[in-house]
Amino acid sequence: DAKTTQPNSMESNEEEPVHLPCNHSTISGTDYIHWYRQLPSQGPEYVIHGLTSNVNNRMASLAIAEDRKSSTLILHRATLRDAAVYYCILRDVRGSSNTGKLIFGQGTTLQVKP
Amino acid sequence: NAGVTQTPKFRVLKTGQSMTLLCAQDMNHEYMYWYRQDPGMGLRLIHYSVGEGTTAKGEVPDGYNVSRLKKQNFLLGLESAAPSQTSVYFCASSRYGQTSTEAFFGQGTRLTVV
Repeated sequence: DAKTTQPNSMESNEEEPVHLPCNHSTISGTDYIHWYRQLPSQGPEYVIHGLTSNVNNRMASLAIAEDRKSSTLILHRATLRDAAVYYCILRDVRGSSNTGKLIFGQGTTLQVKP
Repeated sequence: NAGVTQTPKFRVLKTGQSMTLLCAQDMNHEYMYWYRQDPGMGLRLIHYSVGEGTTAKGEVPDGYNVSRLKKQNFLLGLESAAPSQTSVYFCASSRYGQTSTEAFFGQGTRLTVV
């Protein structure tokens, strides 16, 4: 399973944009880049995912480097409710193993200051 | 639509006792997963299933068994509980294949082994 590297923690001010980086230099061609977040005392929840192109949804944007060895999750206006642990995960749903496993790392703890 | 439901939500076991955690999903998902999360850590995959009647080992399978007799249910068993198995357990499910997008997680089962 290809691994990802994220900073342990980041801080942001409320209503400012937040850029959460993720390095995945060993990514394979069949790996999708997924982001999940975990609010305190809750199960993880899906944020966004992509393969090669940048993606936008109501929660966030995902910017993927051209060589796919890194990506950035962008929260356009952080709120206090966005304080959580954010996980960047590589997920293979097209490869020969096709297990769709989500292997979590340590994630980035985002603190949002009012 | 209940999503992913875990039973029970809390449990205290004595060392050596056995128990079964139940995960039920109503989204007709093929993939199901069991994770554990220790304090301050990311989630670690225990076992997973890519379909009814099939199971496979994840990152930390020792001390656990699983069964997937029905597509909608994934059971996690502890035959002889140990204090090291004190953790929060999360179940997740997702669709199969390239159309698979997000995984849905339950709210967790907090297990304490004394």
